[in-house]
Amino acid sequence: QQPVQSPQAVILREGEDAVINCSSSKALYSVHWYRQKHGEAPVFLMILLKGGEQKGHDKISASFNEKKQQSSLYLTASQLSYSGTYFCGTEVTDSWGKFQFGAGTQVVVTP
Amino acid sequence: DTEVTQTPKHLVMGMTNKKSLKCEQHMGHRAMYWYKQKAKKPPELMFVYSYEKLSINESVPSRFSPECPNSSLLNLHLHALQPEDSALYLCASSQDGEGVGNQPQHFGDGTRLSIL
Repeated sequence: QQPVQSPQAVILREGEDAVINCSSSKALYSVHWYRQKHGEAPVFLMILLKGGEQKGHDKISASFNEKKQQSSLYLTASQLSYSGTYFCGTEVTDSWGKFQFGAGTQVVVTP
Repeated sequence: DTEVTQTPKHLVMGMTNKKSLKCEQHMGHRAMYWYKQKAKKPPELMFVYSYEKLSINESVPSRFSPECPNSSLLNLHLHALQPEDSALYLCASSQDGEGVGNQPQHFGDGTRLSIL
């Protein structure tokens, strides 16, 4: 089942923060986060495995709440280069290989 | 530049044509993937190859036929496609062939396919 992402879109001014959420109705084995700019390939940001860990990539970090089957991506002090569509991707524990992306969150960072 | 190379970048074909998409990676990755992406939609997983064997087929119509001749190369053979098959086809690879969800996926730039 496709994970649910929110919000669908967010507009930020440079330097502002944002949070993107990704949730599943099924128990998750892993959550991936990717960013795709228009006309380009998706680029890997980070993976979170079940265990509630938090990871960071420059000023982008993420958490995974195993109890809620929810992950959040935090964009801190946003930069113009953060613009793009952010996708979470999940694999559920009872279906090996059933990797699905959420619908995506379009992020626009303005000067 | 990406480390996963896809050719051609663009392809226009008729519904009766046969064509192939090609994907190469030289990172020593043991899992390779095909995705289909429609405009403003997320990539949809089609096939997964693990250690050169087909491990996942997400109920893809038989007009799409994947092939993995060796660990570096992945093909997608196309035959008798429909207009709704027009999309961006993305190839990806990951290091470990054992798992899909526990490894980062490296994507190619894709082949933009148009069916007339």
